[in-house]
Amino acid sequence: AQTVTQSQPEMSVQEAETVTLSCTYDTSENNYYLFWYKQPPSRQMILVIRQEAYKQQNATENRFSVNFQKAAKSFSLKISDSQLGDTAMYFCAFGSGTASKLTFGTGTRLQVTL
Amino acid sequence: EPEVTQTPSHQVTQMGQEVILRCVPISNHLYFYWYRQILGQKVEFLVSFYNNEISEKSEIFDDQFSVERPDGSNFTLKIRSTKLEDSAMYFCASSGDRDEPQHFGDGTRLSIL
Repeated sequence: AQTVTQSQPEMSVQEAETVTLSCTYDTSENNYYLFWYKQPPSRQMILVIRQEAYKQQNATENRFSVNFQKAAKSFSLKISDSQLGDTAMYFCAFGSGTASKLTFGTGTRLQVTL
Repeated sequence: EPEVTQTPSHQVTQMGQEVILRCVPISNHLYFYWYRQILGQKVEFLVSFYNNEISEKSEIFDDQFSVERPDGSNFTLKIRSTKLEDSAMYFCASSGDRDEPQHFGDGTRLSIL
């Protein structure tokens, strides 16, 4: 079974600064997908970024980028130029290549301050 | 941009009653999912549905739960006899293919009294 671990329950960053959220996972599969989802106070789940395990290049999406280290089973999210609207709970999630369900980590609560 | 819609946004039900949560997935999507999130905890997978049948379910998804796609647009989750511990946020999600990103609805907050 896959597990996803987010070791930072809470993080804080000042507006315009850069912050990195950590995620590690455990799997015996070789083909899988990794995601970061954002959950603002409104509680909706919003896809931030996606990484395919077979791709060596790190995914980027505007101010959001990942550092994917397959051998270390690490998948961190970097948020550049943080904005107040980035304040949310961030969940790392694992998607198997053979099954469709997502396995989520426990989340990191990010607070962006002035 | 197309989105997954869920109704109601909040449902309050007496313990032991049946409840049906409704979802309208994105129209050209083929894979449908239900997840739940107990307050303050992580999101947990309940069930996935494809080609009019359950493709995978978790241990949480016991005989009290069922899913249905009664027509071409709706995807429902039924809890037959609710318990206090069923209180949670329930998220519906859909994807175009199994390895495509899942798009989530805004969730239904279920409160069991």
